Amino acid sequence: EVQLVESGGGLVQPGGSLRLSCAASGFTFSTFSMNWVRQAPGKGLEWVSHISSTSTTIYYADSLKGRFTISRDNAKNSLYLQMNSLRAEDTAVYYCARQLSSVYVDDAFDIWGQGTMVTVSS
Amino acid sequence: QLVLTQSPSASASLGASVKLTCTLSSGHSSYAIAWHQQQPEKGPRYLMRLNNDGSHIKGDGIPDRFSGSSSGAERYLTISNLQSEDEADYYCQTWGTGIRVFGAGTEVTVL
Repeated sequence: EVQLVESGGGLVQPGGSLRLSCAASGFTFSTFSMNWVRQAPGKGLEWVSHISSTSTTIYYADSLKGRFTISRDNAKNSLYLQMNSLRAEDTAVYYCARQLSSVYVDDAFDIWGQGTMVTVSS
Repeated sequence: QLVLTQSPSASASLGASVKLTCTLSSGHSSYAIAWHQQQPEKGPRYLMRLNNDGSHIKGDGIPDRFSGSSSGAERYLTISNLQSEDEADYYCQTWGTGIRVFGAGTEVTVL
């Protein structure tokens, strides 16, 4: 079964850091580009970051202003998101998502995880 | 600027059909999109990738009741024979070099 499982969420104080993980199974992780998407409570989906299969192409949403870093370990079938200088407005469920094609760098998201909640509050 | 516009809500009776619209911003009418469903308290689920010529790639296990079509800058998702489990938020998504964009979502209510 193709599956993505996020972990690492929790409660963190403003200004703090958190590292999210996404464990992939059921497919050849090393051949697919991956993304992080977040959803604030009661709001819509917001794309956060993209990383290509070999980590050569990395994109971030402009709103993040360099506070987040995406990475992956293909040997461990895992995707990561390092989040620094966290703010209240970063409070959201964070999802990892696979891209449909293993050929194109830019494509639709076809597999989603169940999400992990990040709460930034004092 | 790459933007997707969706109506905030739609409704139809059980067993009827509903057609959702996602509009691409000016200059981007050739872009493909994807449709995703998010049921209450669940993560998103990929429904289909929809090209500008109307061809599409559905996700595994997506019922035939879900279909897509295109016209100019508009991309459509039609849900036929509406079921109670179709009550959800529906998001369109597109992408380009260095950017991925979601529409604001359409909340579908089954009457």
